[in-house]
This record gives sequence, C-alpha cells and structure tokens, in this order.
Amino acid sequence: ETGVTQSPTHLIKTRGQQVTLRCSSQSGHNTVSWYQQALGQGPQFIFQYYREEENGRGNFPPRFSGLQFPNYSSELNVNALELDDSALYLCASSLGGRGASSYNEQFFGPGTRLTVL
Amino acid sequence: GDSVTQMEGPVTLSEEAFLTINCTYTATGYPSLFWYVQYPGEGLQLLLKATKADDKGSNKGFEATYRKETTSFHLEKGSVQVSDSAVYFCALTDPRGYGGSQGNLIFGKGTKLSVKP
Repeated sequence: ETGVTQSPTHLIKTRGQQVTLRCSSQSGHNTVSWYQQALGQGPQFIFQYYREEENGRGNFPPRFSGLQFPNYSSELNVNALELDDSALYLCASSLGGRGASSYNEQFFGPGTRLTVL
Repeated sequence: GDSVTQMEGPVTLSEEAFLTINCTYTATGYPSLFWYVQYPGEGLQLLLKATKADDKGSNKGFEATYRKETTSFHLEKGSVQVSDSAVYFCALTDPRGYGGSQGNLIFGKGTKLSVKP
C-alpha cells in the first residue's frame, strides 16, 4: 500500500509568483485535505476535496485554490505569493464523504517546504 | 470558534522520565480529540485518539483521557525514550464538520520534546 506522497520536497519562489504543489493520495482514499504549517505553529486547514469537488474551506484567501483529479490526486495552487506564504504545506488523504458524521483518519504526507523570498 | 491550547515547549527530559504534555480545548460541539506526532523531516502521524468523554486513547506507551469536565486531553507516558524525541500536536475535529467539510483537524501549536540519554 503506497502512502501519501507530495512533490516537490522543497521550493523557492519570489514574491508575486505562482506555485503549484502536488499530492498523491493513499490507495483507496477519495478525500484530500491541505494544511499550511508555518514555522513553530500547528497546521492550519486550507481546504478539502472530495471526489473532485471542494468540500470545505478554512480562512484562506481566494488566491489559494485547488484541484482534485479522477484518480484522487490533488494540486494546491497559490497565486501572487507573499512572504507570509512561506511554510510547510501538508497534504492528507482519507476515505470520507460529504456530510459524514464520523471522523475518518487522515494520513499525512511529508510535506512541501515553500520559501518565498 | 473551536481551538486547542497546548503547553509551550520545548520540553527536555532524561530517558525513563515521566512525560506530561498538557492540552485543553474549546469547542461548541462534541469533538473528537487526537494527538499527532511529527518526527524530524516527516509528516504527521496519528499517535492516539478519543471520540467521546472519558475515553482513553493509548498507543506505544502513550495515553490520554478525554475529560469533558475540564475540557482537557493531556498526553502522558510513564518512561520516555530517546526515540520519542519529536513534536507533539494536540488536535480536535468536530464530527459535524468544519467549514462545510467532514472532520478536518484543528491543531494546537505543538510541543517539542527532546529526550536525552
């Protein structure tokens, strides 16, 4: 069973640029959640995708957007990068469903370290 | 909104010492509670969980009890090892969903544990 993978491992961008981060979910999982972890902080929920549709969003501006593909892999796109976007971006996959009432464990990837200069 | 507060780190202990990391939460509903661990250079791993009041989660010698009356979920281990050195995150999820999603996690800021031989 393949776990959650993310690419790239590290990335350096300059302010104003755009970036795309990628995540491959664990086999059999249909839900992907993205989190931002700033240095010394806990992860913060960005959004979740379930079966190719956004299924909830945290307190992040619209320049953070995403996609989920038919194979349930996912992309996180960030436009007009700002210095404060420098963080570890974590992807987590799970087997879930819209409106589900019980928690299904999220399995995390190793993350992508984004540095904005 | 829902939130998690955990004790500031870093925590430095000698091998075989007793560990307690305090965690308290604020939630409007009936959350599930979790402890995640992050080893250097790795993603988050679920350490243990509890889904209702008075439940005790346990794994690898770690324990935490869901205390609704004190809104706490303190992590304990009787005898730590050098291999336990990591960052520990307390987290909750509202089974009714967060931001329209199902079971997304709200994390504390993390507590870094260093265990010396």
